Amino acid sequence: QKEVEQDPGPLSVPEGAIVSLNCTYSNSAFQYFMWYRQYSRKGPELLMYTYSSGNKEDGRFTAQVDKSSKYISLFIRDSQPSDSATYLCAILTGGGNKLTFGTGTQLKVEL
Amino acid sequence: GAVVSQHPSWVICKSGTSVKIECRSLDFQATTMFWYRQFPKQSLMLMATSNEGSKATYEQGVEKDKFLINHASLTLSTLTVTSAHPEDSSFYICSARDRGGSSPLHFGNGTRLTVT
Repeated sequence: QKEVEQDPGPLSVPEGAIVSLNCTYSNSAFQYFMWYRQYSRKGPELLMYTYSSGNKEDGRFTAQVDKSSKYISLFIRDSQPSDSATYLCAILTGGGNKLTFGTGTQLKVEL
Repeated sequence: GAVVSQHPSWVICKSGTSVKIECRSLDFQATTMFWYRQFPKQSLMLMATSNEGSKATYEQGVEKDKFLINHASLTLSTLTVTSAHPEDSSFYICSARDRGGSSPLHFGNGTRLTVT
């Protein structure tokens, strides 16, 4: 079993839709949770960073962490074509140095 | 926000030659930088952790003599792919942490290497 599981997609939604992206993890030592967005042929861009269970909101993006279920989500409201990218979850153990990435979910927002 | 600059953004080289990729933290000091490799439609695979002033730590299966890493200052790490072969063609991405502990990583824009 991989430490971090993420549905690779591709996921296609109409403009304006609410998008839900999810990851599950197996190691309860993971304490820090990040979401990155990666456009084609570019490096990952940090979107959200959280370390506690619950929700964290930033504009149209909401990151949700449920440590009891080992489940993290990223919600995108009012999705735009410019949101079309690959979204990677990444998790870090407390005091650790090595990020563990999900495989990434490819999202396409269509006009 | 924290900016990581990577150069070059793409390079084509002939088989058997060496290629150097630079990674710079522009507005912060990074005691630790990381080098990743990414194949098409796959996630990032950590190759090595680069520590300023000491030897890099390589992940299992990564040849340290082939992928030479030098972290000479708090703002610069370099990856040299020695005696490159077509199978080394990939997207190489560096990242850095702007503080110790568990602060998030910031990534460069990657270098696409094509070995002919």
